[in-house]
This record gives sequence, structure tokens and C-alpha cells, in this order.
Amino acid sequence: EAGVAQSPRYKIIEKRQSVAFWCNPISGHATLYWYQQILGQGPKLLIQFQNNGVVDDSQLPKDRFSAERLKGVDSTLKIQPAKLEDSAVYLCASSLDWGSGNTIYFGEGSWLTVV
Amino acid sequence: GNSVTQMEGPVTLSEEAFLTINCTYTATGYPSLFWYVQYPGEGLQLLLKATKADDKGSNKGFEATYRKETTSFHLEKGSVQVSDSAVYFCALSPSNDYKLSFGAGTTVTVRA
Repeated sequence: EAGVAQSPRYKIIEKRQSVAFWCNPISGHATLYWYQQILGQGPKLLIQFQNNGVVDDSQLPKDRFSAERLKGVDSTLKIQPAKLEDSAVYLCASSLDWGSGNTIYFGEGSWLTVV
Repeated sequence: GNSVTQMEGPVTLSEEAFLTINCTYTATGYPSLFWYVQYPGEGLQLLLKATKADDKGSNKGFEATYRKETTSFHLEKGSVQVSDSAVYFCALSPSNDYKLSFGAGTTVTVRA
């Protein structure tokens, strides 16, 4: 079974530039998550989708971050304009459904460096 | 709010040594508890989980017991291998949700 696919794996941009990350979840998984993992810290949830609707985006910095999952499958996370503190690994994850008992599967992450 | 505190690293061990990584949590109700592992260059993988008090999760020789009285979920392995070198994350999800809250991670290096 194919896992969660993410691209690009690595990206270096200058501050104030924009960047977009793409995620393809495991086939059939209704719930998709984007996490931010800053070096030395645990992952922090940015946004959670159920199919193509947003369940939770309370920790998404909406002035610069946006995410969409238009057809309920692939998702894109965008940062514009980027700041130095956005340097992190952006993890996409998916689960069959939303709720206790559903295992969350993570992709390998997209490493962002803002200089 | 919900939070997880885990033992700071890095931890360096010799092969066949005993490994313990401490994890304590703060949460209301009865959360589910997890250990995730991140091998070099790979994504996070679920290692084991426990969903109620006194449950023991186990996988690949690792074990952790859900202790509600001490709000702990310590990870243990009796004899580590070089291939166990990774970053280990303790996490919880509230009883009424599946939003994961992670600890900061503990880097474990096992030397031959």
C-alpha cells in the first residue's frame, strides 16, 4: 500500500518569498492533516481536513499560511510571504476517518529553510 | 490544556543495553497515548499505543504501560539494537477527539 506522498522534499527560499507544498494521502483516507515540526520540537497541528472541509485550523497563521483540499484528495499548503521562523519540516498525514481509534499515517515531510 | 512532557535527550547507549524514555502527560478525561518513532530520513511511524488505563502497548520489542495514577506512559526496551537509533515522540489525543499533542522528542543513538 502506498504511503502518504509529499513534495518537494527540500526547499530553500528567501524571506518574503512564497512556497507551496503538495500532499497526496493514502487512498481512501478521508482525514488529512498538516503539521509543522520546528527543529527540536514535536509536531504541531496546523490544519485538519475531513474530505474537503476544514475541521480545525485554529493554529494556522492565516495571515500568511493557507491550505486547500479542493476535491477531498490531494492538498496544498502555501506560505506567503515566508518568514525566517517558518523554517521547519511540514508533515502531511492522513487517517481513514476522524476519531479515536484511527491510526494517523505520516509522510516523510517537506523540509523548508527560509534565509 | 493537553500536554506531553518527555525525557530530554540525546540518549546514547551500547547495543543490548536497556532503554527507558520517560513520558508524562496532562489531560482531562481519558486520553489515548502513543509512541511514534522517526528513523533518519523517514516520516513519523506509529510504534505503539494504549487507549485506556493499565493497557500495555507493545511492538518490535518496545513496551509502554498506560499509568493513570502517575499520568505516565514510559517507553522501554530490554535490549536495543543499532537499528533502534531514531527520534522517539510521545503523544496523546483527547478522549473526544483525535488531535495529537506531541512531546519534544528524544533522540536515541545506539552504538555497536
